[in-house]
Amino acid sequence: IAGITQAPTSQILAAGRRMTLRCTQDMRHNAMYWYRQDLGLGLRLIHYSNTAGTTGKGEVPDGYSVSRANTDDFPLTLASAVPSQTSVYFCASSDSGTSGTDTQYFGPGTRLTVL
Amino acid sequence: GQNIDQPTEMTATEGAIVQINCTYQTSGFNGLFWYQQHAGEAPTFLSYNVLDGLEEKGRFSSFLSRSKGYSYLLLKELQMKDSASYLCAVMDSNYQLIWGAGTKLIIKP
Repeated sequence: IAGITQAPTSQILAAGRRMTLRCTQDMRHNAMYWYRQDLGLGLRLIHYSNTAGTTGKGEVPDGYSVSRANTDDFPLTLASAVPSQTSVYFCASSDSGTSGTDTQYFGPGTRLTVL
Repeated sequence: GQNIDQPTEMTATEGAIVQINCTYQTSGFNGLFWYQQHAGEAPTFLSYNVLDGLEEKGRFSSFLSRSKGYSYLLLKELQMKDSASYLCAVMDSNYQLIWGAGTKLIIKP
């Protein structure tokens, strides 16, 4: 059982390039999330999806887009990367996304550097 | 606005007890979570509180006071492997987690 996988593990990207971070879960969780983690700041929600076919904006959605074509996959796309998007990106999933008892489980993260 | 406050860093001795505090101001409350995050790794779930009081789980306990907007994580019999960051997060009225910046815990022999 893999849980949540993310790819790539790390990436160095030139500013202006397009990049897709991949996230796949095998727990049949309905809800999935993308966070970024920066030094000295808490995890910040970028986008989320409570079920396949639906997505929503989090706290810091600008410059990012997501899709949720099926239950397992939740890719995050940077259309035109900028240096301020240098960060560690975590994908997470939870059973429902609409319950207070919902525990989120995290993937291993993608370390992205935009030059 | 929404805010989660916790100390940036704490130091403790192996075998001792440490208490990590978290105060919060959020739009609604649907529970408080504690996660552990080792350097370079993903956060992993430790505990969940939604009612006032103490939840004990082995060497780790978590306390919640909703009226005070306050929680703490208590770690007993500290081991070197407990060196990590501890993240406090509150689920708001939209069922989204609001995260503190984390407390880096350094364990000394």
